[in-house]
Amino acid sequence: QVQLVESGGGLVKPGGSLRLSCAASGFTFSDYYMSWIRQAPGKGLEWVSYISSSGSTIYYADSVKGRFTISRDNAKNSLYLQMNSLRAEDTAVYYCARVITGTTDIWGQGTMVTVSS
Amino acid sequence: EIVMTQSPATLSVSPGERATLSCRASQSVSSNLAWYQQKPGQAPRLLIYGASTRATGIPARFSGSGSGTEFTLTISSLQSEDFAVYYCQQYNNWPRLTFGGGTKVEIK
Repeated sequence: QVQLVESGGGLVKPGGSLRLSCAASGFTFSDYYMSWIRQAPGKGLEWVSYISSSGSTIYYADSVKGRFTISRDNAKNSLYLQMNSLRAEDTAVYYCARVITGTTDIWGQGTMVTVSS
Repeated sequence: EIVMTQSPATLSVSPGERATLSCRASQSVSSNLAWYQQKPGQAPRLLIYGASTRATGIPARFSGSGSGTEFTLTISSLQSEDFAVYYCQQYNNWPRLTFGGGTKVEIK
């Protein structure tokens, strides 16, 4: 069964850091680009970051560039998002998603990140 | 940035009726358009990609059409499980995906 499971969310103070993880199973993780997408409470969807299958190509949304770092460990079938200098506006459910033909076909259940003092 | 605009914001439909959702792009996205369904507390689920190709396991009552800047998602006969929020997404400007604001399909 193809599955993505995120973890690592929680409550953090403004300026703090958090590292999200996404465990993949049921498919050959190293064959796929992966992405992080977030959704603020009661709001729409915002793309955050992409990473190529090998990890050599990475893109970020302007809103997180310089603060967030995406990475992957193909040996562990895992995707990561290191989030630094967190702001209140980063509060959201963070989803990892598999990329196929440019769009995203499989999403995890999400992990909630709350940035508040 | 390509801006995606969905209409209406809310659509009230009776079970068994047809629902038509619209999505407009601020510039041409060719056929690089996807539709997602999201239920409360759940992740989005891919319904349609390439503007008109159903994803694996998606019932035939869901259909997509359009190209360029105007797109439509049609649900031919609404079932109880179809009441949800629907998002369009362009991926023509890859990797910078952008999503529409969503259309909530509610029971009339």
